[in-house]
Amino acid sequence: GENVGLHLPTLSVQEGDNSIINCAYSNSASDYFIWYKQESGKGPQFIIDIRSNMDKRQGQRVTVLLNKTVKHLSLQIAATQPGDSAVYFCAETGSARQLTFGSGTQLTVLP
Amino acid sequence: EAQVTQNPRYLITVTGKKLTVTCSQNMNHEYMSWYRQDPGLGLRQIYYSMNVEVTDKGDVPEGYKVSRKEKRNFPLILESPSPNQTSLYFCASSYRGSYGYTFGSGTRLTVV
Repeated sequence: GENVGLHLPTLSVQEGDNSIINCAYSNSASDYFIWYKQESGKGPQFIIDIRSNMDKRQGQRVTVLLNKTVKHLSLQIAATQPGDSAVYFCAETGSARQLTFGSGTQLTVLP
Repeated sequence: EAQVTQNPRYLITVTGKKLTVTCSQNMNHEYMSWYRQDPGLGLRQIYYSMNVEVTDKGDVPEGYKVSRKEKRNFPLILESPSPNQTSLYFCASSYRGSYGYTFGSGTRLTVV
């Protein structure tokens, strides 16, 4: 796929299991964090976001956890489905101008 | 349908031949941005626009130009493309800057 790279972390999970994708962010001044999903041949698609004044936010089948002490972000996907196979990026920002992306994690859902 | 439209989807060109990648959004967004995506490097911002006639450099602006004459359009111009500009390019727009981008489907550019 277009996002396969030598340094792209990978995660394989069985269909129906829960997935946890981790991300370490760099800027302690960042106040807003986003998870994007990118399927092969498509642009990044917004999944869920969280502000720095929160440590957990839930959406439909997805949960984002934020640990500001260690600058760590995670995305949990419940009951992972084949359609969840994609590259997942975390992104951070502290201003309207600059959005900084992580390098991404390739999630593969096994039948 | 609300969307960001880029053209072309695929482009192969030769070194030095000027090209333009178009980007248009139909959501009346003020903020627009160009990113390039390379294996192992993630997405990096090339240029950014806060509104009509207001543009600013991102992290990797060298070799690129942009213009924002209308709110809906934000073309990316490569005056003299070089092979190191071979990449996957994404245009994005938002009503609140980096806090909520909608991305286009991408333009795969190959410079030989």
